Amino acid sequence: NAGVMQNPRHLVRRRGQEARLRCSPMKGHSHVYWYRQLPEEGLKFMVYLQKENIIDESGMPKERFSAEFPKEGPSILRIQQVVRGDSAAYFCASSLAGTGEGAFFGQGTRLTVV
Amino acid sequence: KQEVTQIPAALSVPEGENLVLNCSFTDSAIYNLQWFRQDPGKGLTSLLLIQSSQREQTSGRLNASLDKSSGRSTLYIAASQPGDSATYLCAVSSSTNAGKSTFGDGTTLTVKP
Repeated sequence: NAGVMQNPRHLVRRRGQEARLRCSPMKGHSHVYWYRQLPEEGLKFMVYLQKENIIDESGMPKERFSAEFPKEGPSILRIQQVVRGDSAAYFCASSLAGTGEGAFFGQGTRLTVV
Repeated sequence: KQEVTQIPAALSVPEGENLVLNCSFTDSAIYNLQWFRQDPGKGLTSLLLIQSSQREQTSGRLNASLDKSSGRSTLYIAASQPGDSATYLCAVSSSTNAGKSTFGDGTTLTVKP
């Protein structure tokens, strides 16, 4: 049973480009969470999705950021028109909600905006 | 709104010493609390998870305690080793959803040989 898979592991984008980060949850998990870790800081919750639904996006910036978790395929975090302040590590986690076993985290995607 | 604080922000100890990392949270209505380890530039490794109904969990040289009423958790590391050097993150899940967590900023531990 593979863990949470994120790709790419490292992503470099120029200012103004789009960044697409992918997350495949653990097998059998239908709940996906995205977190952002700015340099020298802890992880901050961004969004919680279930298949085809955004459940909680209270941590998402109001503009340029969007997330989806389609019926088939990985969850995608999309950042349009990236700026240098978007440079961070983006972590995805998945869980079986309500089981109490906690969430399993991927290795993260490190986005660098140049 | 849940807030999680970790003290100290950084800690340096000689090899072999026992140490305690602290985590405090403002809302005691938690679902679970989890301690993670993060190495520089790497992902998260889950160390211990404590359910809200539990008082402590142990794994090898690690012991985590939870006092919900006072909003505190500690991570005890026995006989520290240089390989324990990393950043330790505390995360609290405050809803019926096990995956949505509030993280502290971490304690960066350095164990000197």
